[in-house]
Parts: sequence; C-alpha cells; structure tokens
Amino acid sequence: DARVTQTPRHKVTEMGQEVTMRCQPILGHNTVFWYRQTMMQGLELLAYFRNRAPLDDSGMPKDRFSAEMPDATLATLKIQPSEPRDSAVYFCASGEGGAQDTQYFGPGTRLTVL
Amino acid sequence: RKEVEQDPGPFNVPEGATVAFNCTYSNSASQSFFWYRQDCRKEPKLLMSVYSSGNEDGRFTAQLNRASQYISLLIRDSKLSDSATYLCVVNTNFGNEKLTFGTGTRLTIIP
Repeated sequence: DARVTQTPRHKVTEMGQEVTMRCQPILGHNTVFWYRQTMMQGLELLAYFRNRAPLDDSGMPKDRFSAEMPDATLATLKIQPSEPRDSAVYFCASGEGGAQDTQYFGPGTRLTVL
Repeated sequence: RKEVEQDPGPFNVPEGATVAFNCTYSNSASQSFFWYRQDCRKEPKLLMSVYSSGNEDGRFTAQLNRASQYISLLIRDSKLSDSATYLCVVNTNFGNEKLTFGTGTRLTIIP
C-alpha cells in the first residue's frame, strides 16, 4: 500500500533555528505539494511541483521558506530562521497529475517553534 | 471573500440521521470539485469527487450547482465512524492541479 512519508513527525525548536522537513512522494507520482494547516487558516498551499519543477510558490513567505525537489523521491521544505508564527502542521501530498488529480497526503510534520 | 467557504459547524448528529453540508466557491471558472475527509490529528483523504450530474457512493451523495456556485454533501444513515472534519475542495485553475481547501465542517455522530 503506497504512501507518502514525511520526516520528522514532530519537531520542537527555538525561534531562529533552521527547520528542514522531508517528504518522499509515492513512487511514480509527478506532482508534489506542500501545505500548512493551522486552526485559524485551515490548509494553505505553500508550494507545488510537477515533474520536480516548481510551478507555484506564491503561498510561501519567500524571505524564510524554501522548497526543493533534489530528486524524484525527495521533496524538502526549509524554514530559516523559524518564528513562533510558523508553528503548524506541515503536510506533503503527491499525485499523478491532471485536473481530477487525487492528492495523497502524508501524515504531516507537527512543528512547534518556541 | 474566501475562495471556498464552509459552515465550520460543529454539527452534532444522532447516529442513523441524515446530515447535509454545503460549500460555496467564488470563482465561476472553477473546474474540479472534491470532498476530502480529515480525522482528528490525521491527514486529509479524498472522500469523493463531485461531478456535474451529481454522484453517489454508498451512503454519500455529492451534488454540484454551477449556477449558484455551491457543492453539497449528503450523508445518509450516519455512523459513528463518520465523525470527522469534511473539507470542500475546488480546483480553480485551468491546466494545473492546484487545489483550494475550505476550512472544513466538523461532524460528530452521537450514539
């Protein structure tokens, strides 16, 4: 049963530290998405890749966030420096592509910035 | 105005009852529509796609009204296991896979 995996599952860090979150999409999927979920804002799209090329990162604070896909099996989301307002659950999702694309979500990384 | 709006609930419904949620979207050019389900502290999962003609999957029925720009989800004979948050999801971008999620409607089925 193919799944999206994410590491770490939980991360507690202090303000100003760098945070790196990793995602392994489902093998063969060619779209990858990073979302952030908070109680107040719900699910917000941060970045989106198709065939490893970044297509949309308009939802991402550019000064501190960066998203990359160094290869087809790994997507990363970095925050540097982290701030308390970055505390949230970060989900990665992958899909096969197309307008009716089903997005399969990973279990999320629960980030707390103190 | 938000692109996708849902009543946040919570809806507390007795087991066996029928419950319906609505969702409105602002972009009339929206192409694809979905309902996702999210259990507490878990990831969202696709429940069903929503087609123009309406579609049914067991106890779940989804409908789309393009003229009024709303989507609905009906759950019949509700089960305790239906307790979750239901997310209305819209693809507003022709030619790509970008989805916009509503903030969700929380449903609790009461024994």
